[in-house]
Amino acid sequence: DTAVSQTPKYLVTQMGNDKSIKCEQNLGHDTMYWYKQDSKKFLKIMFSYNNKELIINETVPNRFSPKSPDKAHLNLHINSLELGDSAVYFCASSQGQPGANVLTFGAGSRLTVL
Amino acid sequence: QQQVKQSPQSLIVQKGGISIINCAYENTAFDYFPWYQQFPGKGPALLIAIRPDVSEKKEGRFTISFNKSAKQFSLHIMDSQPGDSATYFCAASKRGAGSYQLTFGKGTKLSVIP
Repeated sequence: DTAVSQTPKYLVTQMGNDKSIKCEQNLGHDTMYWYKQDSKKFLKIMFSYNNKELIINETVPNRFSPKSPDKAHLNLHINSLELGDSAVYFCASSQGQPGANVLTFGAGSRLTVL
Repeated sequence: QQQVKQSPQSLIVQKGGISIINCAYENTAFDYFPWYQQFPGKGPALLIAIRPDVSEKKEGRFTISFNKSAKQFSLHIMDSQPGDSATYFCAASKRGAGSYQLTFGKGTKLSVIP
């Protein structure tokens, strides 16, 4: 059973379109994250939710909107896609208790904007 | 400003050799230093981690050395194997409100040649 699963794995779309990536974790963790990995492999945090509440919101264009319907799900919606949004987006989860800050990542969703 | 600096960017090691990757951090609020391993097409996965109250941690062929005064830590892979070929990320974490904010280095692509 996949611990952190993301869909879709690949996404190819035109500039200006709107797209969503979904993430689900079955680990019982109470914190979920979105990370962006660019073409140079640099991993940068975008958002973090703890028990459905937005905790971290890094400097990300407001075209990106995360939504957490419950603590096992964190979705990412992107409006008006731009070429620079092409990247691999990773969902991750962790247990928010002190001393348990191990992140479990999904396999990633590769977004290509043409 | 990059808070965790990682070097080298890429590394080629002969099978059986020692791979060494170095990281330096700036923020003394960091209290947890993990290393993540990422294979192509997969998400990063925790490899080994250390807290600043110890100077070394060993798990099998993987060792973290930690120098708190110099704010540096390194990963040593002994008897490197072709299966170790992957991208390695050092990271530093600090506890925020309800979640752990993990800051990654830029990654080191390790290639172990037979």
